Amino acid sequence: GQSLEQPSEVTAVEGAIVQINCTYQTSGFYGLSWYQQHDGGAPTFLSYNGLDGLEETGRFSSFLSRSDSYGYLLLQELQMKDSASYFCALMNAGNNRKLIWGLGTSLAVNP
Amino acid sequence: EPEVTQTPSHQVTQMGQEVILRCVPISNHLYFYWYRQILGQKVEFLVSFYNNEISEKSEIFDDQFSVERPDGSNFTLKIRSTKLEDSAMYFCASSGRGAEQYFGPGTRLTVT
Repeated sequence: GQSLEQPSEVTAVEGAIVQINCTYQTSGFYGLSWYQQHDGGAPTFLSYNGLDGLEETGRFSSFLSRSDSYGYLLLQELQMKDSASYFCALMNAGNNRKLIWGLGTSLAVNP
Repeated sequence: EPEVTQTPSHQVTQMGQEVILRCVPISNHLYFYWYRQILGQKVEFLVSFYNNEISEKSEIFDDQFSVERPDGSNFTLKIRSTKLEDSAMYFCASSGRGAEQYFGPGTRLTVT
């Protein structure tokens, strides 16, 4: 089967940089996605790595290493509004493209 | 900006009743999904729909569940006989050719 592990909670201060790690087990996948979810809200897409390496989108970057079964999300210049849950998710290979989700990391950004 | 919409936002039903959750995906998208999230837990895949048919379903998606895309715009999830453990937030999502899945705001289903 497929499984993902990520830390349950991370705390940081405004303006800082935080890295959320994700390790996974899978027999095959297209890529690794990252989603943000505020309390009571819908997941919103942040980043996707189809290939190894770093993808940068504004303050957010994501990294994938298939040989290490590892990825991370890097959040820079943290703002209070970044307090949310962050999920890594494997995009399945094939026509279904389903997402298999990790348990999520709750990020608290303090002043 | 196009968005996925879902109705109702909250549905309360009694155990054993049928519910239909409705979604309008983004119009030119190709892939459609239902996920659910029990309060405080991770998002779980239920079913994916592509080319007018189910492309994959999870072990959660048993005979009590069905999906339809009746008119080319709506995408519905039906639960025939609800159980207490079906209480969750149900998210519809759609995607085009890219990796990003666009999620609707969700329907909170409460089974009493």
